[in-house]
Amino acid sequence: AQTVTQSQPEMSVQEAETVTLSCTYDTSESNYYLFWYKQPPSRQMILVIRQEAYKQQNATENRFSVNFQKAAKSFSLKISDSQLGDTAMYFCAYVSGGSNYKLTFGKGTLLTVNP
Amino acid sequence: DAGVIQSPRHEVTEMGQEVTLRCKPISGHNSLFWYRQTMMRGLELLIYFNNNVPIDDSGMPEDRFSAKMPNASFSTLKIQPSEPRDSAVYFCASSEATEGTEAFFGQGTRLTVV
Repeated sequence: AQTVTQSQPEMSVQEAETVTLSCTYDTSESNYYLFWYKQPPSRQMILVIRQEAYKQQNATENRFSVNFQKAAKSFSLKISDSQLGDTAMYFCAYVSGGSNYKLTFGKGTLLTVNP
Repeated sequence: DAGVIQSPRHEVTEMGQEVTLRCKPISGHNSLFWYRQTMMRGLELLIYFNNNVPIDDSGMPEDRFSAKMPNASFSTLKIQPSEPRDSAVYFCASSEATEGTEAFFGQGTRLTVV
């Protein structure tokens, strides 16, 4: 079974600075997808960014980018120019390729952006 | 589309009572998931349906929990009888049955069993 580990339960960053959240995963599969979801205090789960394992290029989405290291099974999220609205729980998630669509989540990292 | 719709948003019930949580997935989505979120255990997958058929229910804690999907636009998660340790936020999510597609989440139901 796949596992996802987020080793940082909490982090904080000053507004406008850059922060990196860590995620590692364990799998024997070669075809899979990785996601970062954000959960603000409203409780809504929001997709931040998605990475296909077969792509070497790291995904980017505006201020959000990932560092995907397939051999090391590492998938970190970098947030540039942090904003107060980025304060949230961030979850790393894994889904297998093929026809199994269920997501496996890490325990999450609580990010606080300070003014 | 209105997104995934869950009801109720909050539920407070007494131990031993039956609780039913409801979910309407996004139209056209073939996969539906029920997750439970607690501080201790994070987000746990309880059950996963594909085309209304349960595919994986290995996360359902025990026989007190049951889930149904009678049609493509409705699912329920029932707890009978409820216990205080069932207190959690329950999320429903749906996705297209396409490799690597994202799951869209409802706003969750916060269940408190007293």
